[in-house]
Amino acid sequence: KQEVTQIPAALSVPEGENLVLNCSFTDSAIYNLQWFRQDPGKGLTSLLLIQSSQREQTSGRLNASLDKSSGRSTLYIAASQPGDSATYLCAVHNYGQNFVFGPGTRLSVLP
Amino acid sequence: EPEVTQTPSHQVTQMGQEVILRCVPISNHLYFYWYRQILGQKVEFLVSFYNNEISEKSEIFDDQFSVERPDGSNFTLKIRSTKLEDSAMYFCASSEGLAVPDTQYFGPGTRLTVL
Repeated sequence: KQEVTQIPAALSVPEGENLVLNCSFTDSAIYNLQWFRQDPGKGLTSLLLIQSSQREQTSGRLNASLDKSSGRSTLYIAASQPGDSATYLCAVHNYGQNFVFGPGTRLSVLP
Repeated sequence: EPEVTQTPSHQVTQMGQEVILRCVPISNHLYFYWYRQILGQKVEFLVSFYNNEISEKSEIFDDQFSVERPDGSNFTLKIRSTKLEDSAMYFCASSEGLAVPDTQYFGPGTRLTVL
């Protein structure tokens, strides 16, 4: 059964810092991996999706990498801003299953 | 930009009552999903729906739950007899799913409170 973990659980950084969020999964036979952002009391916003055949995806200040063999993905946020404050969720899609979510990393970017 | 919408935003019900949560997926999407998030816990998959039938469901999705696409635009989740532990945020999502399920787009959620 797929298990997804995320480290750290919470992170507080000053504005402008580059930061890395980590996601680990136990079953490497995945279709894809998706990173989401969740603002308090709101839905989930898709940030990046990496197919199993890809190594990374970039969107603006965000870069996500995938290492299937080691069961890891990282989300890199460059030049963080207060508006980046949210919970970041990693979700893994196994073939034959639907998304399994991690518990999230709660990010606070201080002005 | 097209988006998934959900109604109501907040539903309060008494234990044992039936509730129907409604979703309007993005119009050209083929896959539809329901997830739930109990306060402070992970987002959990409930069910996926494709071609007018359930394609996958989790162990959470027992006989108390059902899904339906009553018309060309709505996708509903029904809980027949609500329990206290059904209190959660329920998210609907949809994806294009032309070949395989891909990027899922989530709605804002319905907060269900069972008293």
